[in-house]
Amino acid sequence: DARVTQTPRHKVTEMGQEVTMRCQPILGHNTVFWYRQTMMQGLELLAYFRNRAPLDDSGMPKDRFSAEMPDATLATLKIQPSEPRDSAVYFCASGFAPGTATHYEQYFGPGTRLTVT
Amino acid sequence: AQKVTQAQTEISVVEKEDVTLDCVYETRDTTYYLFWYKQPPSGELVFLIRRNSFDEQNEISGRYSWNFQKSTSSFNFTITASQVVDSAVYFCALSELIQGAQKLVFGQGTRLTINP
Repeated sequence: DARVTQTPRHKVTEMGQEVTMRCQPILGHNTVFWYRQTMMQGLELLAYFRNRAPLDDSGMPKDRFSAEMPDATLATLKIQPSEPRDSAVYFCASGFAPGTATHYEQYFGPGTRLTVT
Repeated sequence: AQKVTQAQTEISVVEKEDVTLDCVYETRDTTYYLFWYKQPPSGELVFLIRRNSFDEQNEISGRYSWNFQKSTSSFNFTITASQVVDSAVYFCALSELIQGAQKLVFGQGTRLTINP
């Protein structure tokens, strides 16, 4: 059955290194979301796209984070340089929005657990 | 601003007991949607239900039921005859529209442990 996939599932890196996380949304979905989950902050929305266009990335630290959708089957979230406070689980979710101003369910991927030492 | 409160941080019950997870929300929108997601130990978030603000009928799906009460801004989730496999963190979420696009605002989650 159709699922959102994310790679890698786990990543351990040193402070200052670049980290790239990838997401393949469910085929046919036209919205993609990036969330970060930490014990302290819970689930926070970082960025989202509709029809590959970025709609809002106000939740993202702009100086080090960037999100892109090179094509409809791939979304990326990049951190450069990474810091220990970026350690979290990063989720990608996708959904189908038939139009603007609609509410719909989002389907989540398994997440990437990032540890920055 | 939209806000979702799940006051119960952790709940622990014995298998076969019924358990209710509370969710209270705040919004100024007249049209909104509410969601519940389950996060089992594997970590993935699993969609359970979506309910719009105009439909206050209770929903039942197997052992799961949801009670939406606009008057108290609550959207509570009940598991009947709980099972060990129900152990998970459960999130309630409110959908808001920002510039014509949906954003989900999540509660902090309730960790449910079902003991055999």
